[in-house]
Amino acid sequence: AQSVTQLDSQVPVFEEAPVELRCNYSSSVSVYLFWYVQYPNQGLQLLLKYLSGSTLVKGINGFEAEFNKSQTSFHLRKPSVHISDTAEYFCAVSDRYLGNTGNQFYFGTGTSLTVIP
Amino acid sequence: DTAVSQTPKYLVTQMGNDKSIKCEQNLGHDTMYWYKQDSKKFLKIMFSYNNKELIINETVPNRFSPKSPDKAHLNLHINSLELGDSAVYFCASSQEGWTGELFFGEGSRLTVL
Repeated sequence: AQSVTQLDSQVPVFEEAPVELRCNYSSSVSVYLFWYVQYPNQGLQLLLKYLSGSTLVKGINGFEAEFNKSQTSFHLRKPSVHISDTAEYFCAVSDRYLGNTGNQFYFGTGTSLTVIP
Repeated sequence: DTAVSQTPKYLVTQMGNDKSIKCEQNLGHDTMYWYKQDSKKFLKIMFSYNNKELIINETVPNRFSPKSPDKAHLNLHINSLELGDSAVYFCASSQEGWTGELFFGEGSRLTVL
């Protein structure tokens, strides 16, 4: 089974400053990586995903993430944050496709991003 | 139309009661899931169903029982509620053949008094 580590439980950052949210996963032959965002009192929605190909992945709302296989990391970045980016961010990993029996996802413990005006 | 919908959104009940949370998805997905999110925001997989078969059950107490009347619905029934069951429960779905994404409902906040 995979494990996902989000080292920072809380990240405060000033508006328009850059931010990086860190995610590391346990090693596997092949993994698929995701970042989800949860706004207050809402469900999770997909920010971006890495399945294969280019290691730099761009997502919605100006976020991007870079897959680094040697460091088993998938850090999320944004060059300039906005107040509306205040939310909980979850890194997730899926390490296998179970055929017609579904997929197994492993979530990190989340990082609470607070953007300060 | 909401892709994954859950009802009720809020549920307050007494210890020992039995309650159900309903989930429906209109995405035509083959697999549905229930996740529990505790007060620290930690997400834990509880169940997933594919073609009406339970395929994951992560050491969840047998007071919790998922029921899937058809591919579009996965309901969660909880017997003899305990204080520790207070949490937000999320339903999700994904597609066989795997687009690599889980689609989540908005959550059902259960408070046990």
